[in-house]
Amino acid sequence: GQNIDQPTEMTATEGAIVQINCTYQTSGFNGLFWYQQHAGEAPTFLSYNVLDGLEEKGRFSSFLSRSKGYSYLLLKELQMKDSASYLCAVRDSNYQLIWGAGTKLIIKP
Amino acid sequence: GAGVSQTPSNKVTEKGKYVELRCDPISGHTALYWYRQSLGQGPEFLIYFQGTGAADDSGLPNDRFFAVRPEGSVSTLKIQRTERGDSAVYLCASSAGLAGSSYNEQFFGPGTRLTVL
Repeated sequence: GQNIDQPTEMTATEGAIVQINCTYQTSGFNGLFWYQQHAGEAPTFLSYNVLDGLEEKGRFSSFLSRSKGYSYLLLKELQMKDSASYLCAVRDSNYQLIWGAGTKLIIKP
Repeated sequence: GAGVSQTPSNKVTEKGKYVELRCDPISGHTALYWYRQSLGQGPEFLIYFQGTGAADDSGLPNDRFFAVRPEGSVSTLKIQRTERGDSAVYLCASSAGLAGSSYNEQFFGPGTRLTVL
C-alpha cells in the first residue's frame, strides 16, 4: 500500500526554527510537494522537490532523500501566522498526489 | 477569475438526497481535480480531468459519486443517495499542465463543506 507519515502535531516558539519530517512509501515517485493549510482554508503550495537535496525559498526550505523515502520542511524565523497544518504529498507512478494527514504546527509567543 | 472558486461554500442535506457541487477552475487550466478532506486528514483523491474527459476516476468511492466537465472548464461533482459518511470538505484544484508535467502545481479552491444529516 501507499503510505505517507508525518507527525500529527508540533509546537514551536515565535522566532525559532522547526523541522517537519515526512516519510513515504509509494508506488513510484514523481516528486514531493509541501502545502500549507490554515484552518478552514484550502491548501496552498509551498515547495516541490524531485531531485535529492535542499530547495530554499525565503524562510522555508525543503529537503528530499529519495533513497531514504524522506523529506523535511524547515521553517525559520517563525511567525505567529505560520500556525497552520503542513501537508506532505507524493506524486506516484500514476502522477496522482498521495497526501499525508498533515502536521498541525502551533506557534507560541 | 483570479482563482479556483467553488459553490456552494456550505451544503447541508438529509440522508438519501442528491447533491451537486460546482467548481470553476482558473481560466486556461486544462487539468482539474476533485478531493475530499475529513477533519484532521489530508485530501483524498477522487477524480482527475484532463480537458473534458475523466483521465483517472479511480478515487471515486462508489457508483453514487459521479463528476462531469462537459466543456473542459466548469466541473460538477454529483453525489446520489447521500450518506452520513459522505460528510466532508470537498476540494477542487486545477493546474496548467498534464498530471505528468515536471512541476504542475495544483491551485485549490476554498472547498464545499458538505454535511449529511
